[in-house]
Amino acid sequence: AQKITQTQPGMFVQEKEAVTLDCTYDTSDQSYGLFWYKQPSSGEMIFLIYQGSYDEQNATEGRYSLNFQKARKSANLVISASQLGDSAMYFCAMREESNAGGTSYGKLTFGQGTILTVHP
Amino acid sequence: DTGVSQDPRHKITKRGQNVTFRCDPISEHNRLYWYRQTLGQGPEFLTYFQNEAQLEKSRLLSDRFSAERPKGSFSTLEIQRTEQGDSAMYLCASSPTQGLRGYTFGSGTRLTVV
Repeated sequence: AQKITQTQPGMFVQEKEAVTLDCTYDTSDQSYGLFWYKQPSSGEMIFLIYQGSYDEQNATEGRYSLNFQKARKSANLVISASQLGDSAMYFCAMREESNAGGTSYGKLTFGQGTILTVHP
Repeated sequence: DTGVSQDPRHKITKRGQNVTFRCDPISEHNRLYWYRQTLGQGPEFLTYFQNEAQLEKSRLLSDRFSAERPKGSFSTLEIQRTEQGDSAMYLCASSPTQGLRGYTFGSGTRLTVV
């Protein structure tokens, strides 16, 4: 079974500063994918970034980067230069993948989420 | 491509009534997922389809819940004899079978059972 743990119920950051949202995971799968999603108050889930378990380099997407430490089973999200519009709930999620480097879609397992508030 | 559509956006029902939600996925996506999200929690997986075949169901999906995807296009989620504990946001998502990008989620149906 897969499990995602997000230990920070809420985080605060000053506008234009960087913030790290923590995520640890537990799985017996050899091949898996890790995702981060943003959920604003309007409710939709917005894809931010993906990291495959066999990727040697940390994923980056614009102001988002994923600090992947496989041995520690952590996949922290780093948001650089925070903006007021970044205030939202953030979810870490994972899926099993079919083989090494495989990208077959299956169900996602989500963490409990972290509410990020960006102050002006 | 208008994304994933869910209908209705909000539903208030009395305990014991049946409700049905609809999800229209992105047309090219052959996989469709249902999740339930309660306030302040992450989404919990309920079930998913590849085309019209239901590939997996969570233990959360009691016998009062049924999901269908006839013809492999839109999907419906029905809850029979609703209970107050069924109050939640029901999210639908779709994806292709293979790919590196994220799943596309709808805006959800918020169910309130009174």
